[in-house]
Amino acid sequence: AQSVAQPEDQVNVAEGNPLTVKCTYSVSGNPYLFWYVQYPNRGLQFLLKYITGDNLVKGSYGFEAEFNKSQTSFHLKKPSALVSDSALYFCAVREKTGANNLFFGTGTRLTVIP
Amino acid sequence: GAGVSQTPSNKVTEKGKYVELRCDPISGHTALYWYRQSLGQGPEFLIYFQGTGAADDSGLPNDRFFAVRPEGSVSTLKIQRTERGDSAVYLCASSLTSGSSYNEQFFGPGTRLTVL
Repeated sequence: AQSVAQPEDQVNVAEGNPLTVKCTYSVSGNPYLFWYVQYPNRGLQFLLKYITGDNLVKGSYGFEAEFNKSQTSFHLKKPSALVSDSALYFCAVREKTGANNLFFGTGTRLTVIP
Repeated sequence: GAGVSQTPSNKVTEKGKYVELRCDPISGHTALYWYRQSLGQGPEFLIYFQGTGAADDSGLPNDRFFAVRPEGSVSTLKIQRTERGDSAVYLCASSLTSGSSYNEQFFGPGTRLTVL
């Protein structure tokens, strides 16, 4: 069975400070991992993915995420937050073998304070 | 280029009525997915199409829910005898063939269904 945990419902960070949005996962095999962002009244937008190889993946809008197999984590990071980064962030996982659908966490609302 | 589109953007219906939700995927995307997102939750998988056929419908909650994709492009999610608990945002996503199963899914803006 697959599961994703986003332990923080809300993250507040000051503009210009680094941000981290946490995600841990559980799958029976090797994972594909994704981050999506959701702005109000808009669809989910793909940010980045981990497939294989380098544990640090870079994505859109200056975001990056680090895959940590031993801790089964895939935390989203950005060195310097912008007010426009304020949105709802979802971590998702799918197994490399098996079901094709994504399994999502419950989301973390990021608020960047000017 | 055009993204995934969904119509209507909002649908209000009465308990017991039948509704159809439409999804137009990105041109050339053979894989199509339906998800349902309730308030405060992440999207939950409903059904996956590869071409015209439903490759995985394990997420459909019961037999009131059905989806079709007759020509391998546009898909319609159909809900019979709607219940108040069906109220949610229904999201459609598409991707290139899932043979390479790491292709990211591109999501539409969703249809907000409200059952009174």
